[in-house]
Amino acid sequence: GAGVSQSPRYKVAKRGQDVALRCDPISGHVSLFWYQQALGQGPEFLTYFQNEAQLDKSGLPSDRFFAERPEGSVSTLKIQRTQQEDSAVYLCASSLATSGGPYNEQFFGPGTRLTVL
Amino acid sequence: DQQVKQNSPSLSVQEGRISILNCDYTNSMFDYFLWYKKYPAEGPTFLISISSIKDKNEDGRFTVFLNKSAKHLSLHIVPSQPGDSAVYFCAASKGTYKYIFGTGTRLKVLA
Repeated sequence: GAGVSQSPRYKVAKRGQDVALRCDPISGHVSLFWYQQALGQGPEFLTYFQNEAQLDKSGLPSDRFFAERPEGSVSTLKIQRTQQEDSAVYLCASSLATSGGPYNEQFFGPGTRLTVL
Repeated sequence: DQQVKQNSPSLSVQEGRISILNCDYTNSMFDYFLWYKKYPAEGPTFLISISSIKDKNEDGRFTVFLNKSAKHLSLHIVPSQPGDSAVYFCAASKGTYKYIFGTGTRLKVLA
């Protein structure tokens, strides 16, 4: 079946522009996660949704970052007034899990590589 | 403060030999550990995991060992195959969905 898809795969933005990154999770997956992966680093947790509810946004680096999942399926990560330090790969993952535990596999999408000039 | 560390950025191994990838952690509250594998231009894919109540978990050619007293885990791949060439990430969790990832080790298996 189809895995997690993300679009666009690559995005170049000028500093100060707003960007929107889309994630289509695996159908039926309740949990959805966003991660940020800077060059040479591992993925870092940004935020977690269970259905349409954003239960954890503790990893969002600033109030310029905003995520939504209004109908409990597709999610959008929006970054306002982009800065050069926002350049990274943004990964989305989904999971069947309905609990907050670690034991249900997180399936990752291929990521969106954002470059801010 | 890097709570999960993979101190070897890269590793090269001959096909058929054992690959050993290492990971150290600092937080004794971590109770679940995972390894993910990543090919270029793809997202990470889950490989194997281990709970802190165990010291070994095996799945085919892949075995993860956990040494809680040393706060160290390792992934053994035997025998290594060229298709295993990828970046391997170690991750840890304190009983929640929030994974803390290491910086990755690039494994190259030479034919």
